[in-house]
Amino acid sequence: SQELEQSPQSLIVQEGKNLTINCTSSKTLYGLYWYKQKYGEGLIFLMMLQKGGEEKSHEKITAKLDEKKQQSSLHITASQPSHAGIYLCGADRPGTYKYIFGTGTRLKVLA
Amino acid sequence: EPEVTQTPSHQVTQMGQEVILRCVPISNHLYFYWYRQILGQKVEFLVSFYNNEISEKSEIFDDQFSVERPDGSNFTLKIRSTKLEDSAMYFCASSENRAGANVLTFGAGSRLTVL
Repeated sequence: SQELEQSPQSLIVQEGKNLTINCTSSKTLYGLYWYKQKYGEGLIFLMMLQKGGEEKSHEKITAKLDEKKQQSSLHITASQPSHAGIYLCGADRPGTYKYIFGTGTRLKVLA
Repeated sequence: EPEVTQTPSHQVTQMGQEVILRCVPISNHLYFYWYRQILGQKVEFLVSFYNNEISEKSEIFDDQFSVERPDGSNFTLKIRSTKLEDSAMYFCASSENRAGANVLTFGAGSRLTVL
């Protein structure tokens, strides 16, 4: 079955610094979704990538999909305390209804 | 903005008791999911549900678990005889599942504590 591995597991950065989170799939990616979870709360959808090489941005967060490497990266520019939380990548496969999530990356931003 | 509602927010139960967690998905969504997150661990897929039947389930979703859509709005997860290791946060999610664009909307979760 498909697994999504994220790195790093946790990250502590100073406010204003840039950072990157990676997500690697054990199987071919047909689409990749990024979510954010505040501690103890539900997941909130951030963005979706569907094609190899696709790059999307929302405010200071940019995500990119590399289908060949079966990887996606999430980059935050000039981090702020509001970016703190757990970032998860998610994926499903055509013809199935199993939607899985990565191991998660805990981000803390120091003011 | 439409949201997924889960109740209860926190339930404490004794080992061996039955528990029902309730979810009200977004009204025009057709696909429903339950996930489990043990404290500090990953979000684990339990089951997906479409057209009044289970579409897919994980190895975690054994005979102790069942799901139901008893009416047009609620989606429930039942644990028949709870174990200590069932203590976790349970999340319900729903989606329209447009082809190639399956964005899940999550509820705030139900925290289950088994004593």
